[in-house]
Amino acid sequence: DAKTTQPPSMDCAEGRAANLPCNHSTISGNEYVYWYRQIHSQGPQYIIHGLKNNETNEMASLIITEDRKSSTLILPHATLRDTAVYYCIVRVFGGYQKVTFGTGTKLQVIP
Amino acid sequence: EAQVTQNPRYLITVTGKKLTVTCSQNMNHEYMSWYRQDPGLGLRQIYYSMNVEVTDKGDVPEGYKVSRKEKRNFPLILESPSPNQTSLYFCASSWSGGETQYFGPGTRLLVL
Repeated sequence: DAKTTQPPSMDCAEGRAANLPCNHSTISGNEYVYWYRQIHSQGPQYIIHGLKNNETNEMASLIITEDRKSSTLILPHATLRDTAVYYCIVRVFGGYQKVTFGTGTKLQVIP
Repeated sequence: EAQVTQNPRYLITVTGKKLTVTCSQNMNHEYMSWYRQDPGLGLRQIYYSMNVEVTDKGDVPEGYKVSRKEKRNFPLILESPSPNQTSLYFCASSWSGGETQYFGPGTRLLVL
């Protein structure tokens, strides 16, 4: 699996957009970008994934650069409940391989 | 309700006393996995299983065993626990390794 690099922590004001970056410069053509988040010590929760096109769902938007070497997860209107650790991983879709999560970004939403 | 369950949720044990943490999923997923989480080290994969009787090592398999005799169950076995295995453990499942993973609630283990 390709490795990812994320900043260890970020702050965001409540109600503003939170933009979480992820670098994955060694991503392969068949690898998807997945985002998960973990609130406190709960089990991580899936947010969104994408291959090369921008994706949006009810939770967030995912912007992947044209060269696919980096991506940004956008929480459009951050709330206090979005305070969590956010993990960016790259995986072959449908592949039966090990998964590497890394240390993620601790997002603190400030009132 | 689709879910991954783990038992026990909390466990305190002593060095060398064999223990098993159970994991079960009701989604007929093929892929199951165990992770440990330690401060500053993020989530690290211990073992994963692609299907019944098919397992493979993750990044930190030392000191752990797993088995997959049934599709829904994937127990984690610590034959001789040591204090460095004190951690928060998560089980997860998905249709395949690359699909969305569903995580259990976690098992907090303390080895004295």
